[in-house]
Amino acid sequence: DSGVTQTPKHLITATGQRVTLRCSPRSGDLSVYWYQQSLDQGLQFLIQYYNGEERAKGNILERFSAQQFPDLHSELNLSSLELGDSALYFCASSAADRGQETQYFGPGTRLLVL
Amino acid sequence: DQQVKQNSPSLSVQEGRISILNCDYTNSMFDYFLWYKKYPAEGPTFLISISSIKDKNEDGRFTVFLNKSAKHLSLHIVPSQPGDSAVYFCAASAVNTGFQKLVFGTGTRLLVSP
Repeated sequence: DSGVTQTPKHLITATGQRVTLRCSPRSGDLSVYWYQQSLDQGLQFLIQYYNGEERAKGNILERFSAQQFPDLHSELNLSSLELGDSALYFCASSAADRGQETQYFGPGTRLLVL
Repeated sequence: DQQVKQNSPSLSVQEGRISILNCDYTNSMFDYFLWYKKYPAEGPTFLISISSIKDKNEDGRFTVFLNKSAKHLSLHIVPSQPGDSAVYFCAASAVNTGFQKLVFGTGTRLLVSP
């Protein structure tokens, strides 16, 4: 158990809909990262937050947004969903936003868009 | 542009023998490298990491070797056990440039047979 929790574990929805994925980092970790793993793909970095502020952005679509709340949990919002958004979404956390910090991953949310 | 490559999608090894998983990278700014193990329906689990100032790091049965001139790293598992059967991901980041996001390879599926 990495200490990172993600809910829900599975999500099935329809095209055009909007969903919210939730992540709670390990106790004491201030950085949260979101990654997407599509079929037969490696994990792709989406976005990083540190202590409530956006730190870095990857290839995150404009339809996707995220935030980190004062209690340090984070939410990833996916809107106007398309079939191609079906993927595993992982959250990771680390203690800081500098240096050689190991990222610890949650169990992921499997999103299926029908 | 795949900056981190794992050219072997799968590897089969007998229990007790050595498993060698390889990873190549193209971005010379990468200075921190990690290996993660992933079981189905779970998030990636951190195994071992290495800084670019080192060429070897060892933790129990796991050893990571880094050859900076060749932009190549490898993970050695000795002795291999059936419980090591999983997908192994190599990841890299450029922390000294302020980028902690991880760039992942596409993974190598290791099967250790009894």
